[in-house]
Amino acid sequence: DAKTTQPPSMDCAEGRAANLPCNHSTISGNEYVYWYRQIHSQGPQYIIHGLKNNETNEMASLIITEDRKSSTLILPHATLRDTAVYYCIVTNAGKSTFGDGTTLTVKP
Amino acid sequence: GAVVSQHPSRVICKSGTSVKIECRSLDFQATTMFWYRQFPKQSLMLMATSNEGSKATYEQGVEKDKFLINHASLTLSTLTVTSAHPEDSSFYICSAITGGPNTGELFFGEGSRLTVL
Repeated sequence: DAKTTQPPSMDCAEGRAANLPCNHSTISGNEYVYWYRQIHSQGPQYIIHGLKNNETNEMASLIITEDRKSSTLILPHATLRDTAVYYCIVTNAGKSTFGDGTTLTVKP
Repeated sequence: GAVVSQHPSRVICKSGTSVKIECRSLDFQATTMFWYRQFPKQSLMLMATSNEGSKATYEQGVEKDKFLINHASLTLSTLTVTSAHPEDSSFYICSAITGGPNTGELFFGEGSRLTVL
C-alpha cells in the first residue's frame, strides 16, 4: 500500500477551519484515501474517504488534488473536542499502512 | 452505520497465559478483517489479515504461532495471544470493510488493551 506523509502537529483556534494536509504521492489508481482520528485509548474514528472527487459529510470535507498525490482534510469549525491525532491512509480493499499522523490541538 | 465491536475492551493476565480477543462486525458481513497493534505514543502497526474460512496472512516480523487468528464466520474474527509476556502488552485494534473492496467504508473497532503482568 502507498504510504502517507503528514505534518507531525498543528494548532488551530476554536471556531476556525482546520486544514490538515496529507501527501500520498505513490498512490495507485484503485486506492482510496481515508481519514481517521484517534483520541487517546480509543479506536480510530472514521471521518471521510474518497477516490478522486472532493467529498463532504457532516464531519468534514476532503479535497483531493487532480493528480491524487495529496489531499486535505477540512474541519470547517474546529471545536476543542476535535483535538486528536488525525491519520490519512490509502487503502486497497481495507489493508492499510498507517503513518504517524498529525496531532491537531484546538485551542480556545 | 456499520459498527465493528471488540471484546474485551481491557484485559489483564498473568505472564504465560493465553488471551483471546474478539472482533465482530455487527451489521454487515466481513470476509476480511485486519488486526493492528499500537504501542503508547506510536501509530497503528498492521499485524495480519484475517480471511474468513482460510488462514490468516501475517505481516513480516509477526509470529503466527504467537498470535493465532481464527476467522470462523463472516462476522467474527478472533486474535489469541498465546503464552503472553509483558512485552505483548499493547492496544490491539481490528478493522473491517463493508461491501466490496473499496465500495464500502473501512471501520475500526474500539480496541482492546492487553496488560500482561
